[in-house]
Amino acid sequence: QKEVEQNSGPLSVPEGAIASLNCTYSDRGSQSFFWYRQYSGKSPELIMFIYSNGDKEDGRFTAQLNKASQYVSLLIRDSQPSDSATYLCAANTGGFKTIFGAGTRLFVKA
Amino acid sequence: GAGVSQSPSNKVTEKGKDVELRCDPISGHTALYWYRQSLGQGLEFLIYFQGNSAPDKSGLPSDRFSAERTGGSVSTLTIQRTQQEDSAVYLCASSLMAGGLSEQFFGPGTRLTVL
Repeated sequence: QKEVEQNSGPLSVPEGAIASLNCTYSDRGSQSFFWYRQYSGKSPELIMFIYSNGDKEDGRFTAQLNKASQYVSLLIRDSQPSDSATYLCAANTGGFKTIFGAGTRLFVKA
Repeated sequence: GAGVSQSPSNKVTEKGKDVELRCDPISGHTALYWYRQSLGQGLEFLIYFQGNSAPDKSGLPSDRFSAERTGGSVSTLTIQRTQQEDSAVYLCASSLMAGGLSEQFFGPGTRLTVL
């Protein structure tokens, strides 16, 4: 069983819409969660991290965490074609090891 | 540069040969990670170094894989007797400290192709 699960997509949204990316994790001991963006042929780069239940907003991005449901999401408001990428969800159990999901491919249509 | 660097960027080798992949972390970062990413897949954790502590090798897929980190800085990932299934992008990342809330900064990766 994978420890961090994501829908592989592709998720297609029109420009200006809200893109909603979801992630579930199996280890209840997971304490912090990360969203990385990876453009095709490039390395992942951190968008946001979250460790408290609730919402965390940064510009057009909002991360949501529900530890009871073991669920993390990333909302992208006013989606732009430049947001088209693969979004990787990752969970850390408090130690050194961060487990990555397989990623969700997002396409934002102009 | 100030980022994580990796070399070579591309490596094509024949099955059975040994390869060495190099990673230069960001100066001052104590933690260094190696991951493998196959086409269309997520990141598979391979090995982690923290300072001068013994590395955690639990993610290495076989005993053909080994890694070392000299002087707490540069790291080399060695794959012996390469197999076709070793073909992937090998990513190195470093962070200021281990785990928790510490952001990992990734290098550009080495694309390994085993013929």
